[in-house]
Amino acid sequence: EPEVTQTPSHQVTQMGQEVILRCVPISNHLYFYWYRQILGQKVEFLVSFYNNEISEKSEIFDDQFSVERPDGSNFTLKIRSTKLEDSAMYFCATSRDQGTYEQYFGPGTRLTVT
Amino acid sequence: AQSVSQHNHHVILSEAASLELGCNYSYGGTVNLFWYVQYPGQHLQLLLKYFSGDPLVKGIKGFEAEFIKSKFSFNLRKPSVQWSDTAEYFCAVKSRAGNMLTFGGGTRLMVKP
Repeated sequence: EPEVTQTPSHQVTQMGQEVILRCVPISNHLYFYWYRQILGQKVEFLVSFYNNEISEKSEIFDDQFSVERPDGSNFTLKIRSTKLEDSAMYFCATSRDQGTYEQYFGPGTRLTVT
Repeated sequence: AQSVSQHNHHVILSEAASLELGCNYSYGGTVNLFWYVQYPGQHLQLLLKYFSGDPLVKGIKGFEAEFIKSKFSFNLRKPSVQWSDTAEYFCAVKSRAGNMLTFGGGTRLMVKP
């Protein structure tokens, strides 16, 4: 069964540094998403992406965050200047379409900001 | 804004016991409802989903859930749990028109052999 993959599995970075989290979607999926889960808290939606544009974003997704699909395969989340509170598990998800199509989740990247 | 509440944070059961995990949501419009499971060390996997039609939906591994619109609930059930059901269970809701999944806080289930 096709799976969403994410790299790296764990990233440690210093406050103020830029990080890029990578996701490889399932091949025929058109919608891509990022979620995060801070330790002990709920899984929270960050952004959805379709046709090379952001289709929906949450309040969390401020100017320090950006997403792109630079080479038509990887889907990336960039955090420009990391803060301590960005430490979380970041999940990529993809779906074939929106509406009634389910979202398939990757295994997550654990980001630790020191 | 939509929100999801899961009433039980931790549940401990013996094998063969019946399971019911509560989920209530708050949203004024038409929703799609989901239960995801995360086994230890693995990623979130879809257990079952409700989009429309029969409010009793059956998922994988013997799980089912019932959508009760009047109660804004989507409780997960399994008649007889197994040790392998030990995992964290997440209820989630999505507005029919949107993409964003809103998750509940999760319920950690431990099944004792």
